[in-house]
Amino acid sequence: DARVTQTPRHKVTEMGQEVTMRCQPILGHNTVFWYRQTMMQGLELLAYFRNRAPLDDSGMPKDRFSAEMPDATLATLKIQPSEPRDSAVYFCASGLYVAEAFFGQGTRLTVV
Amino acid sequence: DQQVKQNSPSLSVQEGRISILNCDYTNSMFDYFLWYKKYPAEGPTFLISISSIKDKNEDGRFTVFLNKSAKHLSLHIVPSQPGDSAVYFCAASGAGSGGSNYKLTFGKGTLLTVNP
Repeated sequence: DARVTQTPRHKVTEMGQEVTMRCQPILGHNTVFWYRQTMMQGLELLAYFRNRAPLDDSGMPKDRFSAEMPDATLATLKIQPSEPRDSAVYFCASGLYVAEAFFGQGTRLTVV
Repeated sequence: DQQVKQNSPSLSVQEGRISILNCDYTNSMFDYFLWYKKYPAEGPTFLISISSIKDKNEDGRFTVFLNKSAKHLSLHIVPSQPGDSAVYFCAASGAGSGGSNYKLTFGKGTLLTVNP
């Protein structure tokens, strides 16, 4: 049963700390997305990669967020330093040649 | 500026009746539209999609209708079941006819509750 795996599922951290979220896309998928869900904004696209190359990260606060794909089986989203307004659920999704994307279960981040 | 709008935050229907969820978009470059369903503590799951060259797509109990002139789409669920209770997201993409992965712009979702 192919699925997108995200770790950790929950993270509570103090303001100013670094946070790293990880995603294992579905094997063979060539596109990986990072989304953030908040009550106010809904689902916002932060960044996406195709064939491991970043195509669009215009949704990310550049000064504190970074997204990478060290290899085809791992995508990371880092926040440094974290702030309370970063509290949200972060979703990774992957897809292949079609617009339908398959989502992971998300990482619920709380910054106190 | 919200390019995809779901103006009803919630909808409640009786089991067996029809559920109609609505979505409006403003960007005329969108040419592919999707509906996702989301249960609590899970990621959104793809439900059904429609290309702008069609005005209707059906999959079992789920039908999506697209009115390009009105920039409006709707999802019909018939008959509604309690297990359909979830948040439904409308999404749009600017993918071209060649078929390729493009980013999705989501609405804020509609919480559907189907009462037994």
